[in-house]
Amino acid sequence: ELKVEQNPLFLSMQEGKNYTIYCNYSTTSDRLYWYRQDPGKSLESLFVLLSNGAVKQEGRLMASLDTKARLSTLHITAAVHDLSATYFCAVDISNAGGTSYGKLTFGQGTILTVHP
Amino acid sequence: NAGVTQTPKFQVLKTGQSMTLQCAQDMNHNSMYWYRQDPGMGLRLIYYSASEGTTDKGEVPNGYNVSRLNKREFSLRLESAAPSQTSVYFCASTWDSRQPQHFGDGTRLSIL
Repeated sequence: ELKVEQNPLFLSMQEGKNYTIYCNYSTTSDRLYWYRQDPGKSLESLFVLLSNGAVKQEGRLMASLDTKARLSTLHITAAVHDLSATYFCAVDISNAGGTSYGKLTFGQGTILTVHP
Repeated sequence: NAGVTQTPKFQVLKTGQSMTLQCAQDMNHNSMYWYRQDPGMGLRLIYYSASEGTTDKGEVPNGYNVSRLNKREFSLRLESAAPSQTSVYFCASTWDSRQPQHFGDGTRLSIL
């Protein structure tokens, strides 16, 4: 059974600081997704990482994937209040034939609060 | 440009009642998914449909059934609702698994 674990689960940051959210998963996969969810809202896609060593950046967020370590990171640079949200990583396992149907297993989520 | 539309947005049921949650997407996506989200947890996959005419179980399918009515629509049915099915239900769709899934706004379901 695939397990996806995020840490920390709660993150309180000051504006302007840097921090990293970690996403570990327990079985082979080369497809990892990061989503953002605001309270009471839907999920918004942030990044899709499709190969070992993939790195993507958008604004103050940068995501990377190390498939050998089964680890993805979401790095926050110079945090601002607008980044306050819950961040989820999700992993897609290919089936035995190598075909993926997008069956995502989500981490528990990291609740990020950015303070002035 | 509606994206993924879920109805209803809120619903309260009594134990034992049945109900169907509706989901429709206008992006011509092949694959559609139903998830549930419980407090303090990530989303868990209930059922999915990789393409029109196919459906398969996800991680937590017990107590649910689905129908992929056509390429646009994917419904989730609770035949006999139980309090443990109180949750927020999200429908999602994607063109293929190399693309992100697009999520609806969710249905908040309470079962008394």
